[in-house]
Amino acid sequence: GIQVEQSPPDLILQEGANSTLRCNFSDSVNNLQWFHQNPWGQLINLFYIPSGTKQNGRLSATTVATERYSLLYISSSQTTDSGVYFCAVAPNDYKLSFGAGTTVTVRA
Amino acid sequence: NAGVTQTPKFRVLKTGQSMTLLCAQDMNHEYMYWYRQDPGMGLRLIHYSVGEGTTAKGEVPDGYNVSRLKKQNFLLGLESAAPSQTSVYFCASSHQARDRVSNQPQHFGDGTRLSIL
Repeated sequence: GIQVEQSPPDLILQEGANSTLRCNFSDSVNNLQWFHQNPWGQLINLFYIPSGTKQNGRLSATTVATERYSLLYISSSQTTDSGVYFCAVAPNDYKLSFGAGTTVTVRA
Repeated sequence: NAGVTQTPKFRVLKTGQSMTLLCAQDMNHEYMYWYRQDPGMGLRLIHYSVGEGTTAKGEVPDGYNVSRLKKQNFLLGLESAAPSQTSVYFCASSHQARDRVSNQPQHFGDGTRLSIL
């Protein structure tokens, strides 16, 4: 099956800092989603971005499908950004494969 | 609009007991999915359904059964619970794309924490 690798595995930030999370995948995809899992365990949809660039407030994402990677940018981080960020992809079917996640800790 | 609702939110079972997890979605989505999440890992697909009356196996189907008798509901059953099935279970749903080829984003419920002693 498709392999999904996220980096870094852990990230500690000072409030107000910017950061970039990376997702590499091993095959072409037609679905790529970024999720934030908050400390209560809820999975929050951030972006549906199989290609291109999108922005939502302080978050933005870019997927370069031809080079099989996606980046999630967090700007001016806040303590509420803490949690685990997952990248999930699907090739030519409906089944999402998840990466292991990046654990982000934002310190006040 | 509730989206995807999972019941129960928490459950503790003894080894060998059976139970059913219920997932309900009010978005008229064609596709529904069950995932499990183990500590320190991403989610893994257990079973999925592309329409009412149809189900298919995902990555880790052993020990689970599913049914989709109504479009809005997707049930996950454990016939004889084992400690290895202690996990957090997530249900998701998505639309079928008009071209029936491309994907649509999946929307997730809040999860069910299941402990098996």
